[in-house]
Amino acid sequence: QVQLVQSGAEVKKPGASVIISCKTSGFTFVDYYMHWVRQAPGLGLEWMGMINPKYNHATYSENFQGRLTISRDTSTSTASMELSSLGFEDTAVYYCARGRATVTAHLGNWGQGTLVTVSS
Amino acid sequence: DIQMTQSPSSLSASVGDRVTITCQASRDIGTSFNWYHQKPGKAPHLLINDASNLEPGVPPRFSGSGSGTYFSLTISSLQPEDVGTYYCQHYISLPLTFGGGTKVALK
Repeated sequence: QVQLVQSGAEVKKPGASVIISCKTSGFTFVDYYMHWVRQAPGLGLEWMGMINPKYNHATYSENFQGRLTISRDTSTSTASMELSSLGFEDTAVYYCARGRATVTAHLGNWGQGTLVTVSS
Repeated sequence: DIQMTQSPSSLSASVGDRVTITCQASRDIGTSFNWYHQKPGKAPHLLINDASNLEPGVPPRFSGSGSGTYFSLTISSLQPEDVGTYYCQHYISLPLTFGGGTKVALK
């Protein structure tokens, strides 16, 4: 079955960077877009960006341009995101999600979420 | 960016009640539209795709309708397991955007 398992919670200081990984199994990794979505405490969902693992091409929300890097490792079927220059407003749960083969933006499978806390 | 506006932001209803949530897009998105359900402390899961197609395993008490700029999600008979927050999402273009959510609680 499709599984997306994310790395564990992180606590970071303002200005630092954070890397979150999303290890996948149960499907052919290179055939599905991988998305990143975050959710600040008590708030809604914010799409951050996505990657086409086959061509290693990432697309980012303008809200994160220059701070966000999405990558993949096809040898381990893992997608990762790195967010730099963290501010307090980046405290959130970060989710990876898999698109569908037919419609890449049907986010049909999600990781369990990774809490990132930015604190001085 | 396309704005997605959900209403109400929260509601409480009794078991067996009919519940309707609406979502309005800031421009015509056809049926490039999904609904998600998120239970407290859990990741969202896809409930309805393409405005009206139920995902496998979703009970038939859920239904979605709409196209263009106006969409709705109806639960014909609310069950205890339906509590949580519902989000709409468009995918006509990037960036994908979500509505602000509708929190459903039991009365």
